Amino acid sequence: DGGITQSPKYLFRKEGQNVTLSCEQNLNHDAMYWYRQDPGQGLRLIYYSQIVNDFQKGDIAEGYSVSREKKESFPLTVTSAQKNPTAFYLCASSARVSNYGYTFGSGTRLTVV
Amino acid sequence: QKEVEQDPGPLSVPEGAIVSLNCTYSNSAFQYFMWYRQYSRKGPELLMYTYSSGNKEDGRFTAQVDKSSKYISLFIRDSQPSDSATYLCAMSESGGSNYKLTFGKGTLLTVNP
Repeated sequence: DGGITQSPKYLFRKEGQNVTLSCEQNLNHDAMYWYRQDPGQGLRLIYYSQIVNDFQKGDIAEGYSVSREKKESFPLTVTSAQKNPTAFYLCASSARVSNYGYTFGSGTRLTVV
Repeated sequence: QKEVEQDPGPLSVPEGAIVSLNCTYSNSAFQYFMWYRQYSRKGPELLMYTYSSGNKEDGRFTAQVDKSSKYISLFIRDSQPSDSATYLCAMSESGGSNYKLTFGKGTLLTVNP
């Protein structure tokens, strides 16, 4: 079945460490997105990529980095510069021309310990 | 004024009730309107998709768009405990090349048996 796979489902990070969240899709979608979701804050866009080897900052990119070396993959690194990284992270993808919105992964819950 | 406003709730109703969820928006260029359902600790899934003004029905769900008032609604008839989730509205200016969604913050709905 086509879809988006995020891993791991739960991730624990010590303060000062970088961690990488995986996002893989087999929908042949051109665009991919990373969102952060906190209680009461809704979805906040971190980074997005509309084509391989190109990506743009979203509203809250500070402390995060991404790469898009393959169409199927869009990993997110949460760096030690991100001061409050504990959150639920969602990856999404969409066709470049689409009437069907975004398809989301099942999310990664990151906790700083 | 935020581009998309959505009452966060929480909203609690008895089983069988009719539920009305709403969003208002300020960008008159929005043409595509979506509702996503998100269960706890899961990714959002697309529930309803409408273009421009009018109504769209799918089983117990009806999506309504009033572009003149910049107001969209999702109605759930004969609500069930399995409808308990957070509902997010989303909208975009275009369904074409490299479109981008703007999300509401979500309304938490609980349907009590």
